[in-house]
Amino acid sequence: EAGVTQSPRYAVLQEGQAVSFWCDPISGHDTLYWYQQPRDQGPQLLVYFRDEAVIDNSQLPSDRFSAVRPKGTNSTLKIQSAKQGDTATYLCASSSRDNMAEQFFGPGTRLTVL
Amino acid sequence: GDSVTQTEGLVTLTKGLPVMLNCTYQTTYSPFLFWYVQHLNEAPKLLLKSSTDNKRTEHQGFYATLHKSSSSFHLQKSSVQLSDSALYFCALRVNTGNYKYVFGAGTRLKVIA
Repeated sequence: EAGVTQSPRYAVLQEGQAVSFWCDPISGHDTLYWYQQPRDQGPQLLVYFRDEAVIDNSQLPSDRFSAVRPKGTNSTLKIQSAKQGDTATYLCASSSRDNMAEQFFGPGTRLTVL
Repeated sequence: GDSVTQTEGLVTLTKGLPVMLNCTYQTTYSPFLFWYVQHLNEAPKLLLKSSTDNKRTEHQGFYATLHKSSSSFHLQKSSVQLSDSALYFCALRVNTGNYKYVFGAGTRLKVIA
């Protein structure tokens, strides 16, 4: 079974530039999560979806960040105008509805904003 | 709100010694606790999970017991190895009709020879 895939693996931007991250969850997983993980810190939830619906985006900086999952499979996270404080690893994870199921994480995208 | 606290930022130990990484949580929901391990430049991977009160769960030499009375899920190992050096996260899953995860800040375990 293929795991969660993400691209790109690395991105380096100047402040003010835009960037998009792509995530392909494990097949059959209805729930998809995006996390921001600053260096040496725990993952912090940005947004999560069940199928194509946003369940919680309360931690997403709405003025610059957006996320979509239009067909309930792949998802894209976009930063419209990056700031140095956005420097972090962006992790995508997916899970199924099974009560005993765990989240499976992708390898992440390491973003550096100069 | 829901939260997870890991009190140690960095734990440095000599190979062969025991370790305990602390994790406490707060929630009004029925708790489901997880420990994830993240090696350098890799994705977090599940190490342990539990929703059963006072039952020890074990994997790869690590073990933890969920104690609802003290809201704790501490991670232990009797003898650490060099390969255990990594970042360890405790996470709380709450079921609000959908599953939402709250992570602690993480504890970096450094094992030295």
